[in-house]
Amino acid sequence: AQRVTQPEKLLSVFKGAPVELKCNYSYSGSPELFWYVQYSRQRLQLLLRHISRESIKGFTADLNKGETSFHLKKPFAQEEDSAMYYCALNYNFNKFYFGSGTKLNVKP
Amino acid sequence: NAGVTQTPKFQVLKTGQSMTLQCAQDMNHNSMYWYRQDPGMGLRLIYYSASEGTTDKGEVPNGYNVSRLNKREFSLRLESAAPSQTSVYFCASSGTSGRSYEQYFGPGTRLTVT
Repeated sequence: AQRVTQPEKLLSVFKGAPVELKCNYSYSGSPELFWYVQYSRQRLQLLLRHISRESIKGFTADLNKGETSFHLKKPFAQEEDSAMYYCALNYNFNKFYFGSGTKLNVKP
Repeated sequence: NAGVTQTPKFQVLKTGQSMTLQCAQDMNHNSMYWYRQDPGMGLRLIYYSASEGTTDKGEVPNGYNVSRLNKREFSLRLESAAPSQTSVYFCASSGTSGRSYEQYFGPGTRLTVT
């Protein structure tokens, strides 16, 4: 079965510290993975997708097929990064499976 | 361009009552989705519609029905609400960007069933 696991419910870091939000997936095909973010009182929005190999707001994520991981990283966290982050897997043309989410709290 | 809109924003129902959540998108997307968001569970897919005229069950379809009225609109109906359906409901639509699918979300409907 397709699954996305985000092991941390809450991650607290200080401003300027590096941050890594973990995501592991289980999928027998060729995965297409995304990170979505939900800031306070805003709707869920796409942060980045692995296929674009892009850096958005200083975040990057590399697909590691050997470890079946797609961890989200940022070298220096900012207070405005505080939000709920969801890892998502596109597993059947247009069906998505979301992880349970990690709440990132960046302290001043 | 409003993106994905949902109505209502908030709703309180008594057990056994019925209601319909409305969703519309103006991005000409083929695919539309209904999710529920519960603490510690993330987003779970209730139903989706790959194209106008088709609907399919997701992970948690029990207690819900959907209608893809046209390409723009996708509604979610609770026939007999139960406290277990207290949740935040999100509608989303999906198109393609290059080879990749991206989902656009509505603002959510917070439903409480007492």
